Amino acid sequence: NAGVTQTPKFQVLKTGQSMTLQCAQDMNHEYMSWYRQDPGMGLRLIHYSVGAGITDQGEVPNGYNVSRSTTEDFPLRLLSAAPSQTSVYFCASSSQAGVSYEQYFGPGTRLTVT
Amino acid sequence: AQRVTQPEKLLSVFKGAPVELKCNYSYSGSPELFWYVQHSRQRLQLLLRHISRESIKGFTADLNKGETSFHLKKPFAQEEDSAMYYCALGGSNYKLTFGKGTLLTVNP
Repeated sequence: NAGVTQTPKFQVLKTGQSMTLQCAQDMNHEYMSWYRQDPGMGLRLIHYSVGAGITDQGEVPNGYNVSRSTTEDFPLRLLSAAPSQTSVYFCASSSQAGVSYEQYFGPGTRLTVT
Repeated sequence: AQRVTQPEKLLSVFKGAPVELKCNYSYSGSPELFWYVQHSRQRLQLLLRHISRESIKGFTADLNKGETSFHLKKPFAQEEDSAMYYCALGGSNYKLTFGKGTLLTVNP
């Protein structure tokens, strides 16, 4: 199993551009989530999904959209990039729709917005 | 609201010394607590969770509900323990809340 994969690894955007960060898992996990990691701020939850067709907002959802059309994929869309969205983005999944279970993280996408 | 506090941003110890990374939480329900570790430029991985009460790589953590703490301890630190450590709290609403992390450096 590849586990949780994320593409791209690195991305540079100009302010106002849009893009989609891809996340996929091959473990048939129901629960998937997106975090951003910023120095001194830890990881903050952006959006999460408890199953295909179901998504909800986390702590810092503004400026981001998600959808979950399949169990395997959970893309994160930046609608109009801003310098404040410069961060490292991690996708995670777990086997059950609850935080009691181990979260498996992807390798991260390092995004710079100029 | 659920909150996790890791009071130390940085912690530096010598190899062979004991280490304790502090974690305090705020949550009105029954908490589920975890420690995650992230080595340099690698993905986060679960280190341990309070419900399993296990020791992983010599690390232990005990949930103290009276003090609302879940401190991570290791009696003899190794250089390979150098990493960022995150305490995390799982609540009833599918949201996992992370602390801001503690960067542990173990010096030779």
